[in-house]
Amino acid sequence: AQSVSQHNHHVILSEAASLELGCNYSYGGTVNLFWYVQYPGQHLQLLLKYFSGDPLVKGIKGFEAEFIKSKFSFNLRKPSVQWSDTAEYFCAVNLRGNYQLIWGAGTKLIIKP
Amino acid sequence: DVKVTQSSRYLVKRTGEKVFLECVQDMDHENMFWYRQDPGLGLRLIYFSYDVKMKEKGDIPEGYSVSREKKERFSLILESASTNQTSMYLCASSGGQGTFSYNEQFFGPGTRLTVL
Repeated sequence: AQSVSQHNHHVILSEAASLELGCNYSYGGTVNLFWYVQYPGQHLQLLLKYFSGDPLVKGIKGFEAEFIKSKFSFNLRKPSVQWSDTAEYFCAVNLRGNYQLIWGAGTKLIIKP
Repeated sequence: DVKVTQSSRYLVKRTGEKVFLECVQDMDHENMFWYRQDPGLGLRLIYFSYDVKMKEKGDIPEGYSVSREKKERFSLILESASTNQTSMYLCASSGGQGTFSYNEQFFGPGTRLTVL
């Protein structure tokens, strides 16, 4: 079955630490890839997306993600996290031409001030 | 700014009650979605609609139905609420008929439903 796997359910970091959240998917075809973020008490919102072209994608608030096709991965990175990055992060994938987004289970990120 | 609104932030119902969750979007989007969000499971698609009066089942449609009589409004109906339907329900919309797989989904704030 098609699936999206996020490696860590909970991550705790100190401010200024570097962040990498893993995301792997199991589709064999051409995919669109997304990272969404849900800050405490707020809506889910798009952080960044990859459709085609440069596999290194930059998003809002200093986040970036790299699509590595050979590894079926789309890991999220930020060189220096802030307390305000505390949130839950979701990776989502859809097979091009298919309406459905398949979601990872989410990673709760806590940044200690 | 795209705005997706949901009728309630919190709702408490009793087992067996009929429950209506309403979602309205103001961006003339063709596509609307209902998800449920449970800890450790991510988002699971219940139903989606790509046009007025059109609907498609998602991964977990059992126990739910939907209605889309107007483009801006998408309703989720729990015909007879059960305790295992206690969850956070998220509505989303996206634009681009026929090309929706390329488009970002915009989410509402969610309705936390508790069924007692």
